[in-house]
Amino acid sequence: NAGVTQTPKFRILKIGQSMTLQCTQDMNHNYMYWYRQDPGMGLKLIYYSVGAGITDKGEVPNGYNVSRSTTEDFPLRLELAAPSQTSVYFCASRGGQNTGELFFGEGSRLTVL
Amino acid sequence: AQSVTQLDSHVSVSEGTPVLLRCNYSSSYSPSLFWYVQHPNKGLQLLLKYTSAATLVKGINGFEAEFKKSETSFHLTKPSAHMSDAAEYFCVVSDMGRGSTLGRLYFGRGTQLTVWP
Repeated sequence: NAGVTQTPKFRILKIGQSMTLQCTQDMNHNYMYWYRQDPGMGLKLIYYSVGAGITDKGEVPNGYNVSRSTTEDFPLRLELAAPSQTSVYFCASRGGQNTGELFFGEGSRLTVL
Repeated sequence: AQSVTQLDSHVSVSEGTPVLLRCNYSSSYSPSLFWYVQHPNKGLQLLLKYTSAATLVKGINGFEAEFKKSETSFHLTKPSAHMSDAAEYFCVVSDMGRGSTLGRLYFGRGTQLTVWP
């Protein structure tokens, strides 16, 4: 009963480094999302995917890339980390039924120094 | 365009007293509205949802919300607060209503609920 699993939970990066946040779900959901959460700002959509091989930009995509080679996995890549990318990142998924309900991972806290 | 405004960034109540978290929405069509809760260092969990059925929606843990179209509001209430209710609460609107299958959610900025013993 894992649901949505994110790794790592915490990471500190230096400016200019690269890293990938991993997200996997075991619910066979087609739709997957990456959000970032900043204090007092709610959640902002970075990228989303409606199925394997299909991705698109959300509200704040700059500085990030994604891929969706399988239904289960939706990694988020930061190529050149900047302090502005210090945030908590949440991966989420949903099934095909149009309820709007998302299932969230527990988050990945990233600090860029 | 869809958006939500949470009118209070922080709400403090005593245990056993009522909770009211306020949310106003903006939508160009019949919206789908949600309340999510986030406990410290956890992901978000769905509390309740409104999808154009009954205007009074009951959720988990004794929470409920009433959709009022005339006031464009979707306030979250609970008759009696419990210590375990201390968390951050997000009001959310979805673009599902205009026939989109995307299911993009637009989040409010959150209301931090503190419950005093």
